[in-house]
Amino acid sequence: GNSVTQMEGPVTLSEEAFLTINCTYTATGYPSLFWYVQYPGEGLQLLLKATKADDKGSNKGFEATYRKETTSFHLEKGSVQVSDSAVYFCARGSNYKLTFGKGTLLTVNP
Amino acid sequence: NAGVTQTPKFQVLKTGQSMTLQCAQDMNHEYMSWYRQDPGMGLRLIHYSVGAGITDQGEVPNGYNVSRSTTEDFPLRLLSAAPSQTSVYFCASSSEIAGVGQFFGPGTRLTVL
Repeated sequence: GNSVTQMEGPVTLSEEAFLTINCTYTATGYPSLFWYVQYPGEGLQLLLKATKADDKGSNKGFEATYRKETTSFHLEKGSVQVSDSAVYFCARGSNYKLTFGKGTLLTVNP
Repeated sequence: NAGVTQTPKFQVLKTGQSMTLQCAQDMNHEYMSWYRQDPGMGLRLIHYSVGAGITDQGEVPNGYNVSRSTTEDFPLRLLSAAPSQTSVYFCASSSEIAGVGQFFGPGTRLTVL
């Protein structure tokens, strides 16, 4: 079946450090790929997306590239801020049926 | 636009009780879905709908019923609550435009004693 595997957390970084959160997905069909962010006590917000191979999604300094050859969609940010502290979810699927990874808790210290 | 709204925000039930979690969206989205979030499990799809009158099961449908009589509303019913249904429930909606992603509500935290 469809699945998404993302790196286990928690991840703790200092402000202005480089962030990578790894995500791989099963290659069944041609899914769209997403990164969602969840701040404490809130719902999920769409961070970025990519719909086909080699697409790069970007938003708020975060980037991820749809890599079909490695079935990956790693999230990166060059310089994290304290306000980026949250749980990040990688997901694959369609507009009504998403499969999520288990989430990665990111804490950024000043 | 209010986006996706969910009520209630918090609910405590006793085993065997029934209740309905409400979800509404004002974006005229055709697609709506229910997920549950459990610690260390990510989100798992319970049921989804691709339009009024059309629903289907997701990954973990047992113990839950849904119906979609209008485009705006997609309630989730627990007929006989069990402690295993203690979770945070999220409703989401989306348009038919491929790859736009889903918009999520703020969630309902349900505890079953």
